[in-house]
Amino acid sequence: ETGVTQTPRHLVMGMTNKKSLKCEQHLGHNAMYWYKQSAKKPLELMFVYNFKEQTENNSVPSRFSPECPNSSHLFLHLHTLQPEDSALYLCASSQDYEAGGDIQYFGAGTRLSVL
Amino acid sequence: GQNIDQPTEMTATEGAIVQINCTYQTSGFNGLFWYQQHAGEAPTFLSYNVLDGLEEKGRFSSFLSRSKGYSYLLLKELQMKDSASYLCAVKDSNYQLIWGAGTKLIIKP
Repeated sequence: ETGVTQTPRHLVMGMTNKKSLKCEQHLGHNAMYWYKQSAKKPLELMFVYNFKEQTENNSVPSRFSPECPNSSHLFLHLHTLQPEDSALYLCASSQDYEAGGDIQYFGAGTRLSVL
Repeated sequence: GQNIDQPTEMTATEGAIVQINCTYQTSGFNGLFWYQQHAGEAPTFLSYNVLDGLEEKGRFSSFLSRSKGYSYLLLKELQMKDSASYLCAVKDSNYQLIWGAGTKLIIKP
């Protein structure tokens, strides 16, 4: 148990569906992250929220829409996805985004399949 | 561009020692991390190096040479439960973690 919980663990959706991924952290951290993990590829940072403000958006397509209502919760809203968006989506949190030794704690991820 | 290189896969024997290398080229350097990820599970933090030298933590040690852009993770007395992927990541000048693709370590009896 890392203190970061993601739901659902598995999701299958059609290209026209709308779904949302949820992440909750119980660690009192100030920063939260969405990553995409594809097989044999490096983790790709998608979004960063620091003190509920979005600080990074690494050229992510608009079909992915993040929401951070408070410092403990993070959502990733999905709509009109493409098959190449199938991947493991990981949420992470950390205490201080700009600290060098800041450790990120990850959830177990949502395995997304787009048909 | 920014780049982290590590071997794709390594195999070692239970009870032995294995060294996983990581080389990096990044825009700035604010520390290097190693994470362990078992199949289907969350990555978990193993070690952090910001100064040159060796950091030891039980059976695991991590080494850093900033001048060479090089790090390694050393695992001693290997156990079957050490079978996992090991991810190297560097925090750049913008405080973003740049990740390697991971090294899958297979432990054989």
